Amino acid sequence: GAGVSQSPRYKVAKRGQDVALRCDPISGHVSLFWYQQALGQGPEFLTYFQNEAQLDKSGLPSDRFFAERPEGSVSTLKIQRTQQEDSAVYLCASSFSSEWGEKLFFGSGTQLSVL
Amino acid sequence: RKEVEQDPGPFNVPEGATVAFNCTYSNSASQSFFWYRQDCRKEPKLLMSVYSSGNEDGRFTAQLNRASQYISLLIRDSKLSDSATYLCVVKGWSFKTIFGAGTRLFVKA
Repeated sequence: GAGVSQSPRYKVAKRGQDVALRCDPISGHVSLFWYQQALGQGPEFLTYFQNEAQLDKSGLPSDRFFAERPEGSVSTLKIQRTQQEDSAVYLCASSFSSEWGEKLFFGSGTQLSVL
Repeated sequence: RKEVEQDPGPFNVPEGATVAFNCTYSNSASQSFFWYRQDCRKEPKLLMSVYSSGNEDGRFTAQLNRASQYISLLIRDSKLSDSATYLCVVKGWSFKTIFGAGTRLFVKA
């Protein structure tokens, strides 16, 4: 596709439910990032993939958060047993390479509301 | 202390004004620096990279001071369409790309 695609655009979950958020990066992009953005804050780093390898998951807030990119393209961020503090916009970004100056292309995000 | 810190603002300026934002970063090993722009309820988009010698793109000028570990963005002749949140972004030797909390700018007629 022309850009980074994320789905669903909006997700409402009851506390305790599991959710799965999908990211389809730009074709051929090696690097993929997940960010969490709370209202009024900047994007907070969650995890990074280079192709299918998850090279950094230091930003995942707890072991309820899990991300994968099994074939080096589409990625899924899974949140188990959601809690109210998980409510945020989850942004996915990709870049062509992992070079220092490489520009990030963001998807429109998934807005998660946990009730 | 956050890795990247910005004044949240908001900055309220009239059209035509010049406005400057600063950003400080804590990791002296940081390698790449950027300014992104984020409109309300939209995704961040790259505004410009920041080079050691400073760089300009039209009305926008970015500067880097490695000794003091800060980055600046200057906007000249502000337009209504410049109203947005400006995010300072730093990338180090690791793969993390860290965003500041953003500075909100409102340009009024």
